Amino acid sequence: QKEVEQNSGPLSVPEGAIASLNCTYSDRGSQSFFWYRQYSGKSPELIMFIYSNGDKEDGRFTAQLNKASQYVSLLIRDSQPSDSATYLCAVNGGDGSSNTGKLIFGQGTTLQVKP
Amino acid sequence: DTEVTQTPKHLVMGMTNKKSLKCEQHMGHRAMYWYKQKAKKPPELMFVYSYEKLSINESVPSRFSPECPNSSLLNLHLHALQPEDSALYLCASSQEPFGYGYTFGSGTRLTVV
Repeated sequence: QKEVEQNSGPLSVPEGAIASLNCTYSDRGSQSFFWYRQYSGKSPELIMFIYSNGDKEDGRFTAQLNKASQYVSLLIRDSQPSDSATYLCAVNGGDGSSNTGKLIFGQGTTLQVKP
Repeated sequence: DTEVTQTPKHLVMGMTNKKSLKCEQHMGHRAMYWYKQKAKKPPELMFVYSYEKLSINESVPSRFSPECPNSSLLNLHLHALQPEDSALYLCASSQEPFGYGYTFGSGTRLTVV
C-alpha cells in the first residue's frame, strides 16, 4: 500500500516566522511531488511541485526533496495569517515506469499563523 | 481560461434520485479526474480519463458512473446513492496524465438524504 504521511498538526507559528511542513512517502518509484493548499470549505490549490532532489523556490515558498530519505518538505517564509490553511502533500501514484496521473494525498497539515 | 468549472456547487438528493455532476475545462488538458473528499480527509481518487478514455477506476461502486463526452467535459452520473456518499466531489484536469499537478474545480458539495 503506497502511503504519504504528514503530521496533521495544527502547526502554529507567529506572523513573520518560517513555517516548515513535512511529508514522507513509501513508494521509492514516485517521481513527482506536489504541495496543495486548501482553505476550509474550498478546493485544493496547487502551490508547488518538485521532481528533482534539492530545493525549488517560488516567492515565499520553498519545496525540498530528498529521494534517498523519501522526504519532501515545504517552507513558507514570512508567514502571514492568510497562509492559515491545510497543506496537502501529494505524490504521483505511478508504478515507476509510467505515470498514471493518480495522486496519493497525505492527510494534510493544518497551519495556523497567529498575528 | 485557467479554470475548471463544476456545476452545481451544491446538490441535495434523495436515495432514489438520479442526478449528474458536470465538469468543464478549456485549457486543452487531456486528462481529467474525479475525486471524492470527506470532511477533514484528503481527496481520494475515483476515476481518471486520459485522452477521453477511462484509464483508472478505483473500484468505485456502480452507482457512480463517469462519462467523458469530449476532451473538455466530464460528467459523473449518480443513482441510488447512500447517505455515506455525501461529500465534496472534486473534478480536476492536467495537461497530460502525469506531472505538473492538477487544476481542481471548486467542487460540488453533495448531500444524500
